[in-house]
Amino acid sequence: GAVVSQHPSWVICKSGTSVKIECRSLDFQATTMFWYRQFPKQSLMLMATSNEGSKATYEQGVEKDKFLINHASLTLSTLTVTSAHPEDSSFYICSTFRPASISGELFFGEGSRLTVL
Amino acid sequence: GQNIDQPTEMTATEGAIVQINCTYQTSGFNGLFWYQQHAGEAPTFLSYNVLDGLEEKGRFSSFLSRSKGYSYLLLKELQMKDSASYLCARDTHGDYKLSFGAGTTVTVRA
Repeated sequence: GAVVSQHPSWVICKSGTSVKIECRSLDFQATTMFWYRQFPKQSLMLMATSNEGSKATYEQGVEKDKFLINHASLTLSTLTVTSAHPEDSSFYICSTFRPASISGELFFGEGSRLTVL
Repeated sequence: GQNIDQPTEMTATEGAIVQINCTYQTSGFNGLFWYQQHAGEAPTFLSYNVLDGLEEKGRFSSFLSRSKGYSYLLLKELQMKDSASYLCARDTHGDYKLSFGAGTTVTVRA
């Protein structure tokens, strides 16, 4: 079954509103979660690393005030797109890994498709 | 950047074999991942190579050459359900922060 759950799967919002996306690890504690963004027919781009109990670290070019990340518990990270605009329309995916895993496997959520009108 | 290169598209018939190549920058390299992604869905893990050589998992195999900065994913006995995008990704220093290639769209025809 799913290891990482993400919702909502689809969200449509008006320009200027904020949207929150949740990412949960279902059967282990995830101290670190990653947020990716994928535009149509493009690669997944890492946006930020979410760390439980501390501030997220953002990749170059990603506005931390626009993409707010909160990782308040060991099983939940949230990404809030503030004052969304049409250019923020994209597929947002979270991922995490099982602690002490030797397989290297990164588990992805189902993804959230955001459309900003 | 990580300069991860893989072909954009490949087409093959059912039952055939497809090899998807991936090249990457070797600086700071730790391991190489392959993921499968169906349209509109999240990626699913296929393999992770850290050591040189070939690793086989059923119909899928992955190869790595660290010195050459080269990997390939081999898909055997292709099935229609294998039509998807295949993503090559690398991590640096084992930190799980992956850099992805643009993906190779494989189309399997009857």
